[in-house]
Amino acid sequence: EDQVTQSPEALRLQEGESSSLNCSYTVSGLRGLFWYRQDPGKGPEFLFTLYSAGEEKEKERLKATLTKKESFLHITAPKPEDSATYLCAVQATKSTQNSGGSNYKLTFGKGTLLTVNP
Amino acid sequence: DVKVTQSSRYLVKRTGEKVFLECVQDMDHENMFWYRQDPGLGLRLIYFSYDVKMKEKGDIPEGYSVSREKKERFSLILESASTNQTSMYLCASRQHGTDTQYFGPGTRLTVL
Repeated sequence: EDQVTQSPEALRLQEGESSSLNCSYTVSGLRGLFWYRQDPGKGPEFLFTLYSAGEEKEKERLKATLTKKESFLHITAPKPEDSATYLCAVQATKSTQNSGGSNYKLTFGKGTLLTVNP
Repeated sequence: DVKVTQSSRYLVKRTGEKVFLECVQDMDHENMFWYRQDPGLGLRLIYFSYDVKMKEKGDIPEGYSVSREKKERFSLILESASTNQTSMYLCASRQHGTDTQYFGPGTRLTVL
């Protein structure tokens, strides 16, 4: 069974204090790893997709990296508007069920709640 | 930009009522998904549809059904709402052959 564990559950930073969020995963074969941002009461907003170990992607103050067992979301000099819950999800290459449709499935972690204080 | 909309942001229903949650996407995506999100449990897949009139159960389909009569619209149906179905419901869509799912704003359903 695919599993995703995010740490820490909550992180409080001062504005400008860089840090990293962790996403550890266990999957039969990784098709893709996804990062989303979710603001309170809203739907997740897509940030990045990573496909292979060593891959990195950047967007403004965010940088996502991937190894064979985990992904990191690095936040450089965060601002209060970066406060949100960050979700990690994986998609496996192989169906774990007889149904071919399960290749579509994303397995999500429980998220990291980031608070950036001014 | 991909746009996924959901019919209601907030909904309050009574136990035993039949509830319809509607989701519409405007990007001609073949694949659509329904999730529920609960504190401490994360997002869990209820049902997905890989094309019109095609559906498949997710991890927690019990108590739910779905309908996809048109490509742009995917409905989640609670045949007889129960209090344990109080949750945030999220719809997502995806272009066939790609990997990224795009989410709607969510419907917070309260069943009294």
